[in-house]
Amino acid sequence: NAGVTQTPKFRVLKTGQSMTLLCAQDMNHEYMYWYRQDPGMGLRLIHYSVGEGTTAKGEVPDGYNVSRLKKQNFLLGLESAAPSQTSVYFCASRRQGVNYGYTFGSGTRLTVV
Amino acid sequence: GDSVTQMEGPVTLSEEAFLTINCTYTATGYPSLFWYVQYPGEGLQLLLKATKADDKGSNKGFEATYRKETTSFHLEKGSVQVSDSAVYFCASLFTGNQFYFGTGTSLTVIP
Repeated sequence: NAGVTQTPKFRVLKTGQSMTLLCAQDMNHEYMYWYRQDPGMGLRLIHYSVGEGTTAKGEVPDGYNVSRLKKQNFLLGLESAAPSQTSVYFCASRRQGVNYGYTFGSGTRLTVV
Repeated sequence: GDSVTQMEGPVTLSEEAFLTINCTYTATGYPSLFWYVQYPGEGLQLLLKATKADDKGSNKGFEATYRKETTSFHLEKGSVQVSDSAVYFCASLFTGNQFYFGTGTSLTVIP
């Protein structure tokens, strides 16, 4: 049982380049989330999805897009990377219901130069 | 709105010392409460949870009790080890679809 898998684990981009981060879960979870983690800022929600084909904005959605074409995958896209998007990105998933916690991926460390 | 406030760190303790990390929540109702732990270079892992008032969550020697009267969910461990060095996050989940996380408390345990 792999849980939540994020690819890639590390990436360096030049300003203006685009990229897609992939999150895959094999637990049949309904909900999936993308967070960014920055020093002193804790975790901030970028976008989330409550089911296949649905997405919603979180706290810091600007500069990012997402898609959930399949239940097990949640993609995070950066259309034109900026240095302010240098961060560690975490994907998480969970079952529907208030008693269930997140399962997190191991993170993607992105540097934009 | 819903929010979580936890004590700021960093916290440095000697091995076998007692640990308390304070966490309080603000919510219009009664959320489920969670503690997550993040070891260096890894993602967050669920440590323990409590889903209703007076519940006690426990795992790996850590405990936290859901206190409705004080809107708190403080994390405790009687005797910390070097391997407990990590960042600890308190989180709440109400009826919505997302968690509210505290800013994290860094713990370093020295031999």
